[in-house]
Amino acid sequence: NAGVMQNPRHLVRRRGQEARLRCSPVKGHSHVYWYRQLPEEGLKFMVYLQKENIIDESGMPKERFSAEFPKEGPSILRIQQVVRGDSAAYFCASSPTGGAHYGYTFGSGTRLTVV
Amino acid sequence: AQRVTQPEKLLSVFKGAPVELKCNYSYSGSPELFWYVQYSRQRLQLLLRHISRESIKGFTADLNKGETSFHLKKPFAQEEDSAMYYCALSGGGAQKLVFGQGTRLTINP
Repeated sequence: NAGVMQNPRHLVRRRGQEARLRCSPVKGHSHVYWYRQLPEEGLKFMVYLQKENIIDESGMPKERFSAEFPKEGPSILRIQQVVRGDSAAYFCASSPTGGAHYGYTFGSGTRLTVV
Repeated sequence: AQRVTQPEKLLSVFKGAPVELKCNYSYSGSPELFWYVQYSRQRLQLLLRHISRESIKGFTADLNKGETSFHLKKPFAQEEDSAMYYCALSGGGAQKLVFGQGTRLTINP
């Protein structure tokens, strides 16, 4: 069991480019969550997905950000036309059932730097 | 609105001394509270949940609804306890966690 795998670990993008962050959940987990951690801040919820469905995207910025979790393959967090303020650590977590009460399994994160 | 406050960004204690990491929350319903820990170069991992009332690695945390607190305690700190600790809340059947800003705990030899 490899746990939650995120790649890349580090991503550098110029302003205006697109960033694609990938997350493969724990085998058998069908619930994926994305969190963002800005410097000197705690983790902030972005989006919760089940296979092929977005369940809660209340934490997603309204523009430029999108997420998907297709039937096959990893979950993708996509940021279009990146700006310096998007520089952050993006963490993915998965769980076997919906709900936080059993705890999440987190990935190592992707550190996005926008130059 | 759900909010978690960890008032100390940094906490430093000597090995063998008691440790208390503070966590206060704001939520009108019945919350579920958690402590997560991130050791150096490792992933964020669940340390304990209030509903299981367990002691993990010598740490305990009691939910105090009157004071809306969920402080993490350990009677005798060990050097391997040095890490980043996050308090988190989930409320109302919501699937998402709301995290505090974290406290970096350093145990001095």
